[in-house]
Amino acid sequence: GAVVSQHPSRVICKSGTSVKIECRSLDFQATTMFWYRQFPKQSLMLMATSNEGSKATYEQGVEKDKFLINHASLTLSTLTVTSAHPEDSSFYICSAAVGGVTNEKLFFGSGTQLSVL
Amino acid sequence: AQKITQTQPGMFVQEKEAVTLDCTYDTSDPSYGLFWYKQPSSGEMIFLIYQGSYDQQNATEGRYSLNFQKARKSANLVISASQLGDSAMYFCAMREGPGDSSYKLIFGSGTRLLVRP
Repeated sequence: GAVVSQHPSRVICKSGTSVKIECRSLDFQATTMFWYRQFPKQSLMLMATSNEGSKATYEQGVEKDKFLINHASLTLSTLTVTSAHPEDSSFYICSAAVGGVTNEKLFFGSGTQLSVL
Repeated sequence: AQKITQTQPGMFVQEKEAVTLDCTYDTSDPSYGLFWYKQPSSGEMIFLIYQGSYDQQNATEGRYSLNFQKARKSANLVISASQLGDSAMYFCAMREGPGDSSYKLIFGSGTRLLVRP
């Protein structure tokens, strides 16, 4: 089956630095990717929808200048947490969809645990 | 109002027995999809089963079956013959709208299942 690769799996950074997380579709082209955030023992909350070649669509309450999303190719979307602060510490996970494929084929990456000191 | 409700924060089941994880949903869209995902401690989201709103029969995938009661707006997951490896968080999710127009998923709060040997 299709695989979504997410890197890094874990990152620790100092407050004020920026962190980039990559999400790649390995054996299919993903026209749309989704970025979720998950706090400990909580559910996944959709942050934004990343569309190849166009601007991302952010959910209400998500700062687009804080969480920069770039979907420059059909196989790569990146999420950059800018000027990270401790409250940005969370589990970030991406998912990828293919145009024309029904949702039961929506694939998730393995997630990135971000810890901001 | 919550769109996806999972009322069981935690569940225990004896190995080899069946267990039902509850999920109710709320939508006014006639076209929607319901998903169940498993999230082990490693964090990855593993797709288990999908049910479309127009599907006439309950979905089944190996040991997983979905008890879809449309009038009650419930989509309970049934795991038969539980195994120790089934211990994980389980999330119910819903996609509103036709499958080719929206891949956004709304997740429930999750149920932590622990399988006892």
